[in-house]
Amino acid sequence: DTGVSQNPRHKITKRGQNVTFRCDPISEHNRLYWYRQTLGQGPEFLTYFQNEAQLEKSRLLSDRFSAERPKGSFSTLEIQRTEQGDSAMYLCASSLLSWQGQYEQYFGPGTRLTVT
Amino acid sequence: GQQVMQIPQYQHVQEGEDFTTYCNSSTTLSNIQWYKQRPGGHPVFLIQLVKSGEVKKQKRLTFQFGEAKKNSSLHITATQTTDVGTYFCAGPFASGAGSYQLTFGKGTKLSVIP
Repeated sequence: DTGVSQNPRHKITKRGQNVTFRCDPISEHNRLYWYRQTLGQGPEFLTYFQNEAQLEKSRLLSDRFSAERPKGSFSTLEIQRTEQGDSAMYLCASSLLSWQGQYEQYFGPGTRLTVT
Repeated sequence: GQQVMQIPQYQHVQEGEDFTTYCNSSTTLSNIQWYKQRPGGHPVFLIQLVKSGEVKKQKRLTFQFGEAKKNSSLHITATQTTDVGTYFCAGPFASGAGSYQLTFGKGTKLSVIP
């Protein structure tokens, strides 16, 4: 399968614990995005990388959230001291960058986080 | 703030009926994208519209981009049970960091009654 993959698919954790999710994008894509999706909402942008550089973070992303893409390939999203409000589906997407900056994004299956 | 509004939020149709969802942006967009998310699944890219007044068709799906590039619609002719899912429009909005990020609407959830 050459699509975007995410692990784990489901994560249940207790409030206050740290969690880390992994995303493996489509290999030739240089852009990687993280989104959060809650019930009845569309995906909300969190952050993105171009190659290994993290170019932008949404104001939604508190200091408890950190993302890395160390070699420009896979990425990790870590949430420290989880709160119940962090419960959501965390989606990763990847894309190429066209010359006009217009691109289609390919989403992974997501990691569903439940904080108890 | 900058946002993308979609209506209706829900639509229940009898199989064979037509379906339309509308998307409106607070600002002019360089392009608009449509995604479909099946129940329990992830968003899947359907199409991108770039030109003012553009109309594109994919089998029973017809996508339109408004003349002012602030609104768009998706029309499905003769719905089938395989059309069930949530349809999202998304447009690139300039962020404070000087780049453009996709902002998604809340989606229209389509149910098809066999």
